[in-house]
Amino acid sequence: DAGVIQSPRHEVTEMGQEVTLRCKPISGHNSLFWYRQTMMRGLELLIYFNNNVPIDDSGMPEDRFSAKMPNASFSTLKIQPSEPRDSAVYFCASSIGGAFTDTQYFGPGTRLTVL
Amino acid sequence: GQQVMQIPQYQHVQEGEDFTTYCNSSTTLSNIQWYKQRPGGHPVFLIQLVKSGEVKKQKRLTFQFGEAKKNSSLHITATQTTDVGTYFCAAPQGGSEKLVFGKGTKLTVNP
Repeated sequence: DAGVIQSPRHEVTEMGQEVTLRCKPISGHNSLFWYRQTMMRGLELLIYFNNNVPIDDSGMPEDRFSAKMPNASFSTLKIQPSEPRDSAVYFCASSIGGAFTDTQYFGPGTRLTVL
Repeated sequence: GQQVMQIPQYQHVQEGEDFTTYCNSSTTLSNIQWYKQRPGGHPVFLIQLVKSGEVKKQKRLTFQFGEAKKNSSLHITATQTTDVGTYFCAAPQGGSEKLVFGKGTKLTVNP
């Protein structure tokens, strides 16, 4: 299995631009998670999908952030407009089941820099 | 909000020395997971503890879950340079039981 795939691996953009991060979960996994990692705040859960349905988006910072999962093999996290404080590493993870007791498999992450 | 406290934040050891990181919660946990993140890498699942007082071993790594299920520890015996990285504990918390990660302990090993 290829594992969780994320693209792009690195993104540098200017403040105000739209940024779209992409994730392909492990085939057969029913849950998908978007995390953000910064030095100050650590690893934070942004949103969680189960069977393509958003279950918990309480970690999404503000309306500038949106996430979709149109099918079981693809999800996007969009930031519009981006701001310098959005600079972070964004991880996508997937798990087999819908419970947080299941092992989460993380993708390699997207390092986002907003200038 | 509820959180999982992890200490120490940093630990530097000489190769061959032991290392321990601790994770504490003010509330009882249903389970606790441990992850390792190598420099520049992504978190990788190590283990999950579920039972009160549970102890699990993976080679030189020993994981413990407290009797009250409010704390946990990861102990590495005789560290090697390959152990370098940040070790995170994570536990489901809050009404939605979503996974909350500790801030991690960054381990550096001097060869």
